[in-house]
Amino acid sequence: QSVLTQPPSVSAAPGQKVTISCSGSSSNIGNNYVSWYQQFPGAAPQLLIFENGKRPSGIPDRFSGSKSGTSATLAITGLQTGDEADYYCGTWDNSLTGGVFGGGTKVTV
Amino acid sequence: QVHLVQSGAEVKKPGASVRVSCEASGFIFNTYYLHWVRQAPGQGLEWMGRINPEGDTTNYAQKFQGRLTLTRDSSTSTVSMELSSLRSEDTAMYYCARVNTAVVDSDAFNIWGQGTMVSVSS
Repeated sequence: QSVLTQPPSVSAAPGQKVTISCSGSSSNIGNNYVSWYQQFPGAAPQLLIFENGKRPSGIPDRFSGSKSGTSATLAITGLQTGDEADYYCGTWDNSLTGGVFGGGTKVTV
Repeated sequence: QVHLVQSGAEVKKPGASVRVSCEASGFIFNTYYLHWVRQAPGQGLEWMGRINPEGDTTNYAQKFQGRLTLTRDSSTSTVSMELSSLRSEDTAMYYCARVNTAVVDSDAFNIWGQGTMVSVSS
């Protein structure tokens, strides 16, 4: 089981909004930045969000991230069929002295 | 353009070792931390370890302690991952990844290699 907890799947109709939660603890999310990744089948992950809520250049503002306490959330608005993918949260864990990821969430549109 | 290009797929027998290389281009190699992440078939991402820009400090996930070695060669802009005592559970896609900020480490990996499939089977 993963150190960070994500729902296995979420779904919504095109144009709607989904949110993906990522729950951790004080040793990871509570004291470190959170990143989010999008992964399509057969491809490497792509950075979507870093430092809790910042977007790399080229990432649409339909994707947003936030953090509160020991949990983080990724929101996707204006859902498109092209957003169907797996999404992972990641951060550093001070107790483990290593990176940690959530188990991943499959988004279905 | 910034790229990480990994070596090709490997098939190994249990107990053997595997070495996967990751060649960097398009950025100043010795200013970025590099990490390794793996993904078993149908499973999620698993952080394995990291190596600092100078190549003299590594951190490994507890489960890989004693089996994993990361090295980097600035003359060829290559980082390598060696995993020993392979078992079937090590069958996975292995990725190298660069952090998004130079000099300091980060949890944000903005550049990924294409992945190297390692299959372990008798």
